[in-house]
Amino acid sequence: QKEVEQNSGPLSVPEGAIASLNCTYSDRGSQSFFWYRQYSGKSPELIMSIYSNGDKEDGRFTAQLNKASQYVSLLIRDSQPSDSATYLCAYPKAAGNKLTFGGGTRVLVKP
Amino acid sequence: ETGVTQTPRHLVMGMTNKKSLKCEQHLGHNAMYWYKQSAKKPLELMFVYSLEERVENNSVPSRFSPECPNSSHLFLHLHTLQPEDSALYLCASSQIFSGEQYFGPGTRLTVT
Repeated sequence: QKEVEQNSGPLSVPEGAIASLNCTYSDRGSQSFFWYRQYSGKSPELIMSIYSNGDKEDGRFTAQLNKASQYVSLLIRDSQPSDSATYLCAYPKAAGNKLTFGGGTRVLVKP
Repeated sequence: ETGVTQTPRHLVMGMTNKKSLKCEQHLGHNAMYWYKQSAKKPLELMFVYSLEERVENNSVPSRFSPECPNSSHLFLHLHTLQPEDSALYLCASSQIFSGEQYFGPGTRLTVT
């Protein structure tokens, strides 16, 4: 089993709809999770951090963490064409800062 | 974006060349990282420096040699690379023990 699994997509979403991305992980001890956005030809950019079970909202983004089921999700509300990118899920192995990344989900928002 | 800078942005080198990649962060962070991103593969952590001490060497071949002279600068020295080393090399920084990392724009490396 991969340490972090994401559906590679592409996830095609109409403009204005909700995009729902999922990430499953194998390390039950993980305490924190991160979502990064990567536009084509650019470097990853941190968009969300979540440290506890439940939901965390930031603007149009909501991260949801379910430690019992070992998945973390990202919802993008009112999707815009500018949201078209690859979204990477990551969590730290062992202590703190050594991140393991999933392969990413490519999202396409169509006008 | 000027928080984390990388030079050069593009590099083409032969297998017998020696070159270096440079990274500089202006965010006051005390941890720095090198990642490799190849087509159709997840982002791979190569090296981690925390407080200028190397704390991770993720089974990276010795033809890649990192150097961290201070908390703001990170280098990746390259020698006798192979064509399969062609990839995007990303530098990142963070506060120590934080997963909230900030990436530079990357160096697109092509080994011929």
